[in-house]
Amino acid sequence: SAVISQKPSRDICQRGTSLTIQCQVDSQVTMMFWYRQQPGQSLTLIATANQGSEATYESGFVIDKFPISRPNLTFSTLTVSNMSPEDSSIYLCSVGNTEAFFGQGTRLTVV
Amino acid sequence: EDKVVQSPLSLVVHEGDTVTLNCSYEVTNFRSLLWYKQEKKAPTFLFMLTSSGIEKKSGRLSSILDKKELFSILNITATQTGDSAVYLCAVASTSGTYKYIFGTGTRLKVLA
Repeated sequence: SAVISQKPSRDICQRGTSLTIQCQVDSQVTMMFWYRQQPGQSLTLIATANQGSEATYESGFVIDKFPISRPNLTFSTLTVSNMSPEDSSIYLCSVGNTEAFFGQGTRLTVV
Repeated sequence: EDKVVQSPLSLVVHEGDTVTLNCSYEVTNFRSLLWYKQEKKAPTFLFMLTSSGIEKKSGRLSSILDKKELFSILNITATQTGDSAVYLCAVASTSGTYKYIFGTGTRLKVLA
């Protein structure tokens, strides 16, 4: 299993600003996944972050809105840019090829 | 389009009851089906199923997969208030890139 440290745990942000979420894994992993969970909804994959290449975004998500960095095999960041209240969600990073392990999640509220 | 559908969406039971949660899927390049429990933010892993008909069991929880009919069930016996959570079903797919497709979840509330 992998231990994933995600921060911040929660934040309240003003609309129009940006927030960067960090995810640190205790072992080297090839792929890291970023999910969004809107209130009352299930997890939706935003993008897959591979070290040394650009992230692969799912339909409906774009790099300008959700830029991702993956500088090495244990770390990744997701930025939520130019936030609006509709971005209020839980954001989760995840790793794993056989079973997905999750960070503690970031609860974002945009006001 | 790949999809994972869970039912019921929500369920309220009393302590001691047995519940069955359902998960059906239509996913190309199926690799495995996973069950998670989500109480606050981070889902915690319960089971991974790859073969049909083999029951996985952990205490009062058990799960089984039917790859012919494309569904799985999660059973919880003698429910306790601590079982109250959202239960998520996910399917791992290797179609194109490797990824997990999550169902909508079943919100279980166990009353004392």
